[in-house]
Amino acid sequence: GESVGLHLPTLSVQEGDNSIINCAYSNSASDYFIWYKQESGKGPQFIIDIRSNMDKRQGQRVTVLLNKTVKHLSLQIAATQPGDSAVYFCAWRASGAGSYQLTFGKGTKLSVIP
Amino acid sequence: NAGVTQTPKFQVLKTGQSMTLQCAQDMNHNSMYWYRQDPGMGLRLIYYSASEGTTDKGEVPNGYNVSRLNKREFSLRLESAAPSQTSVYFCASTWTGPYEQYFGPGTRLTVT
Repeated sequence: GESVGLHLPTLSVQEGDNSIINCAYSNSASDYFIWYKQESGKGPQFIIDIRSNMDKRQGQRVTVLLNKTVKHLSLQIAATQPGDSAVYFCAWRASGAGSYQLTFGKGTKLSVIP
Repeated sequence: NAGVTQTPKFQVLKTGQSMTLQCAQDMNHNSMYWYRQDPGMGLRLIYYSASEGTTDKGEVPNGYNVSRLNKREFSLRLESAAPSQTSVYFCASTWTGPYEQYFGPGTRLTVT
């Protein structure tokens, strides 16, 4: 809950601006990547996912970009709203196809300034 | 549909006490997971059940046991709680594989 945001990188954006949240992953064998949003006191909520055979995927107001060369994932949120304030986690499949395990990044706290 | 439910929401234990965290899902999912979340950190997988009748260790299984009671329910047991197990525990479920996991609201556990 409230403790999730402690010691996390924080991104502050003005309402209406676009947000970009970055994530570096460690496993070059990973074939599946996912972004979660976690509001204070709640469980993580799925936002969008992408497989390694793609480099971009779009959802409603969100876009995920994957750069396998540098093992980097980003989440872009268009026209950021106060309701987007939360901690955002990236995760990746731990050890390639067939694995049931995800490895989670430490998270980024997004604060939207009204 | 309630989705994923967890009980209890909060618990305080003394060192050495035992307890079971309950998780149930009503989405007919095959796979279920238990994670812990510590301040400033991402989630770490404790155990998972790929399908009814199977369980496997995750990244941090020591000090925990699990039971996949049926397709709907997956419980996590702490046999002898330690202060290092103070954390927020989340249960999640998926149709199959690690994709698009649906999370419960969490159990906040404090061990003194």
